[in-house]
Amino acid sequence: LAKTTQPISMDSYEGQEVNITCSHNNIATNDYITWYQQFPSQGPRFIIQGYKTKVTNEVASLFIPADRKSSTLSLPRVSLSDTAVYYCLVGEEDSNYQLIWGAGTKLIIKP
Amino acid sequence: GAGVSQTPSNKVTEKGKYVELRCDPISGHTALYWYRQSLGQGPEFLIYFQGTGAADDSGLPNDRFFAVRPEGSVSTLKIQRTERGDSAVYLCASSLVGGRALDTQYFGPGTRLTVL
Repeated sequence: LAKTTQPISMDSYEGQEVNITCSHNNIATNDYITWYQQFPSQGPRFIIQGYKTKVTNEVASLFIPADRKSSTLSLPRVSLSDTAVYYCLVGEEDSNYQLIWGAGTKLIIKP
Repeated sequence: GAGVSQTPSNKVTEKGKYVELRCDPISGHTALYWYRQSLGQGPEFLIYFQGTGAADDSGLPNDRFFAVRPEGSVSTLKIQRTERGDSAVYLCASSLVGGRALDTQYFGPGTRLTVL
């Protein structure tokens, strides 16, 4: 069965770059790795996804090594508004539809 | 366009009562997911619909929980004989196709259920 591991929490300061790593093994070979952000009292929302190597969008970058056993979400120059919980989501190996959520990393940005 | 909506936003009930939670997905989204989230925890998968049928209901904790999606759009999560341990935020998400992490899930704001 696929399994994901993320740090429970992280602290950083405004303007810094933050990297959050999710370890995941036995994930679906034909599926992407997706990251979500959740603020208090809201549902999670999509940030970024990728299959391999590096993906960048307007809010984050995602680094995925060739073996796909981990992925690293990179938030450049964080601000207080980036304080949230971040989840990785992967597909289960040998399953057509089962998805596995990470337990989430609570990121606190300090002024 | 409109996002995923859930009603009610808050529900307080007494132990042993029956509750229904409603989810209106984004129009045209085939897939619909129900999750439960306790304070400080990640989303706990409950059930996944493809169209009208439940493709995976392995996350439903017991037979007190049931969900339907009769016309492939709106879904209702039904909880019988509620227990205090059922208290949580119930999240609904929809996606265009479903079944893969590739397919972005759009979440509603959730229903906060409190069982007294």
